[in-house]
Amino acid sequence: DTEVTQTPKHLVMGMTNKKSLKCEQHMGHRAMYWYKQKAKKPPELMFVYSYEKLSINESVPSRFSPECPNSSLLNLHLHALQPEDSALYLCASSQVMFRGPQPQHFGDGTRLSIL
Amino acid sequence: SQQGEEDPQALSIQEGENATMNCSYKTSINNLQWYRQNSGRGLVHLILIRSNEREKHSGRLRVTLDTSKKSSSLLITASRAADTASYFCAPVGGATNKLIFGTGTLLAVQP
Repeated sequence: DTEVTQTPKHLVMGMTNKKSLKCEQHMGHRAMYWYKQKAKKPPELMFVYSYEKLSINESVPSRFSPECPNSSLLNLHLHALQPEDSALYLCASSQVMFRGPQPQHFGDGTRLSIL
Repeated sequence: SQQGEEDPQALSIQEGENATMNCSYKTSINNLQWYRQNSGRGLVHLILIRSNEREKHSGRLRVTLDTSKKSSSLLITASRAADTASYFCAPVGGATNKLIFGTGTLLAVQP
């Protein structure tokens, strides 16, 4: 079992749907991350939140909209996605973002399929 | 941060054997992290080695870092079938914790 919980585990949606991915951690971490991973590829960073503020956006299309309502919760709102957005979406957290080396803790991801 | 390059891309060994995978990077780093990913799961942090460290151990794992050669290696001793996974390195530069993963090494341990 991981300490970062992601829901749902699987999601199938049409290109016109709106859905949200959720990520929760209760380790008191103040940095949270979204990654996208295509099959047989490494995870690619999408967004970083530090102390509930968006710190890094890796030029992600606006059809992906992150939100950090509180220090334990991270959402990724999806709208008008394309078939190429089908991937495993991973959430991670770490104690902080800008204060030296530290490991990231990952959830098991949401496998997203766009029809 | 920068992307590491792992070598080999794939490795198949028998249970009980040792597995070594390598990571090379291009510019100076603050630390280098190794992660494991089992099929269909999230990544699990294995070891973080700082730029002023040369070797680090954790159980059956041994990581070395040679900053003069800009390379790191991960050794798994006495491998088990449960070690079958993809292994990623992430060299980290600067003050942020931003990880850029290399393409990884896919390790298969045959029982």
